Amino acid sequence: SQQGEEDPQALSIQEGENATMNCSYKTSINNLQWYRQNSGRGLVHLILIRSNEREKHSGRLRVTLDTSKKSSSLLITASRAADTASYFCATDALQGGSEKLVFGKGMKLTVNP
Amino acid sequence: NAGVMQNPRHLVRRRGQEARLRCSPMKGHSHVYWYRQLPEEGLKFMVYLQKENIIDESGMPKERFSAEFPKEGPSILRIQQVVRGDSAAYFCASSPRGILNYGYTFGSGTRLTVV
Repeated sequence: SQQGEEDPQALSIQEGENATMNCSYKTSINNLQWYRQNSGRGLVHLILIRSNEREKHSGRLRVTLDTSKKSSSLLITASRAADTASYFCATDALQGGSEKLVFGKGMKLTVNP
Repeated sequence: NAGVMQNPRHLVRRRGQEARLRCSPMKGHSHVYWYRQLPEEGLKFMVYLQKENIIDESGMPKERFSAEFPKEGPSILRIQQVVRGDSAAYFCASSPRGILNYGYTFGSGTRLTVV
């Protein structure tokens, strides 16, 4: 079953603008992660935020986590055409007796040059 | 460090044939996860393995699908008697330990087409 759900499902912006993606999840987590997938490729790990953290930065990426609302946001500042990709949030879920990542359906970001 | 290696990148099988997908985790990673991705969909968990052990196969169909991660060699995802609905991208990921503090490293995937 899906744990994380990204919102919006698709976003189109101009180069230089900021892009914000939101993720909501259902159960308690230890950490939440964001991944990027370029068309036809595997997923690339972007950032991990633990449940006791509220905000984390990595280069042009800023991630927030609100465990009371069970939501996270990924902000990409000063976007570039190369940021065009699908973005997924993933949460660790204890299901079926083991801990593993459960992914949302993803959000397609298009950055127009 | 070559990362997670999956092969083949593309695999075409006729209905009823067997598909064998291989995954070599990153050096030093002992946890392997297989996911399936349908077009325009997210990744669906299939199976979690450590060396010589299946830890969790709750996402794998009960019939026709099997996975292994032997002491020597890559992890193998095997699909017997493939059907059109098995057409998808299959991704393997590895991590050094459980995911509590680590992200996954993904391979580039195997795109299976059943004709």
